[in-house]
Amino acid sequence: EAGVAQSPRYKIIEKRQSVAFWCNPISGHATLYWYQQILGQGPKLLIQFQNNGVVDDSQLPKDRFSAERLKGVDSTLKIQPAKLEDSAVYLCASSFRGAFSGGPYNEQFFGPGTRLTVL
Amino acid sequence: GNSVTQMEGPVTLSEEAFLTINCTYTATGYPSLFWYVQYPGEGLQLLLKATKADDKGSNKGFEATYRKETTSFHLEKGSVQVSDSAVYFCALTAAGKSTFGDGTTLTVKP
Repeated sequence: EAGVAQSPRYKIIEKRQSVAFWCNPISGHATLYWYQQILGQGPKLLIQFQNNGVVDDSQLPKDRFSAERLKGVDSTLKIQPAKLEDSAVYLCASSFRGAFSGGPYNEQFFGPGTRLTVL
Repeated sequence: GNSVTQMEGPVTLSEEAFLTINCTYTATGYPSLFWYVQYPGEGLQLLLKATKADDKGSNKGFEATYRKETTSFHLEKGSVQVSDSAVYFCALTAAGKSTFGDGTTLTVKP
């Protein structure tokens, strides 16, 4: 079974530029998550989709960050314009069911991440 | 809001030593608790989980017990190996929201 795919793996941009990250979750997983992981910290949830609807985007800086999951499968996270403090690893994860579900189906499977450096 | 506090690292142990990584949490409702591991150069992967009080999660020799009375989920292993060197993250999911600790780096020396 293929895992969560992310691209690119690395990106270096200058501040005020824009950047986009792509994620393809595990086939059949309804829930998709984007996390920001700053060096030395744990992942921080930016946005959570259930199919193509947003479940939680309370920690997404909406003035510069946007995300979509148009067909309920793959997703794109965009930053425009980037700031120095956006330098981090951006992780995508998916689960069969959402975090609201109990039982064995809310395990999150993570992609390898995209390391963003903003100069 | 929800929060997870892990013992600060890094932790350095000799092979076959006993490992404990402390994790405490605050959450509304009844969270599910998780330990994720990130090996060098790899993505996060689930190590073990527990979904209700007094449950014990176990995998690869690691164990953690969901202690509601102390709001803790400490990770233990009786005899660590060099291959256990990684970053370990404690996490919870409550009311649909996931919260991670800041991770503890474990280095096991031969």
